[in-house]
Amino acid sequence: AQSVAQPEDQVNVAEGNPLTVKCTYSVSGNPYLFWYVQYPNRGLQFLLKYITGDNLVKGSYGFEAEFNKSQTSFHLKKPSALVSDSALYFCAVIEWTTDSWGKLQFGAGTQVVVTP
Amino acid sequence: NAGVTQTPKFQVLKTGQSMTLQCAQDMNHEYMSWYRQDPGMGLRLIHYSVGAGITDQGEVPNGYNVSRSTTEDFPLRLLSAAPSQTSVYFCASSYSGLAGGETQYFGPGTRLLVL
Repeated sequence: AQSVAQPEDQVNVAEGNPLTVKCTYSVSGNPYLFWYVQYPNRGLQFLLKYITGDNLVKGSYGFEAEFNKSQTSFHLKKPSALVSDSALYFCAVIEWTTDSWGKLQFGAGTQVVVTP
Repeated sequence: NAGVTQTPKFQVLKTGQSMTLQCAQDMNHEYMSWYRQDPGMGLRLIHYSVGAGITDQGEVPNGYNVSRSTTEDFPLRLLSAAPSQTSVYFCASSYSGLAGGETQYFGPGTRLLVL
């Protein structure tokens, strides 16, 4: 079965410093990977996804993620963090299903705290 | 477009009560799903639907029923609420199934407390 792991419950970073949120995956076949962000008391917002092609994927709000097949990782990055980036971040992978429709399998989430 | 909408935003139930969480989307999306979010567990799939009249179970379906009579609406029913169903519930939709890498879009969530 496909799965993702987010090894850090929380990441603390000072405003203006680089931000990295880690995600590793375990899949059979080619992975379809996603990052979502959840601001307090809000729903999940799509940030970016990797399906195929360039290993560096650019998304919303200045975020990008690097797909690394050899390390089975899909880390989310932002060169210069803002206080407004403080939120809960989820990595997810498409899990193949026998009915061919697919399901999203989420990681546990990483809380990002950006301090002024 | 309003996107994915959910009602109510917050609900308190007593054990054994029933209720329906509403979800609607105005994007003509074929694929809709319900998740529950619990601390430290990410989001877990409850039920999903690939079109009107077609539903299937996800990872944690027990205690929940769904139906899909129209493309737009996908209600989630709790027949007899239990404290273990205290959670935040999210509805999501996508244009088609996820196997091709389709992006799901989420509603704002319903926070449910079962006493």
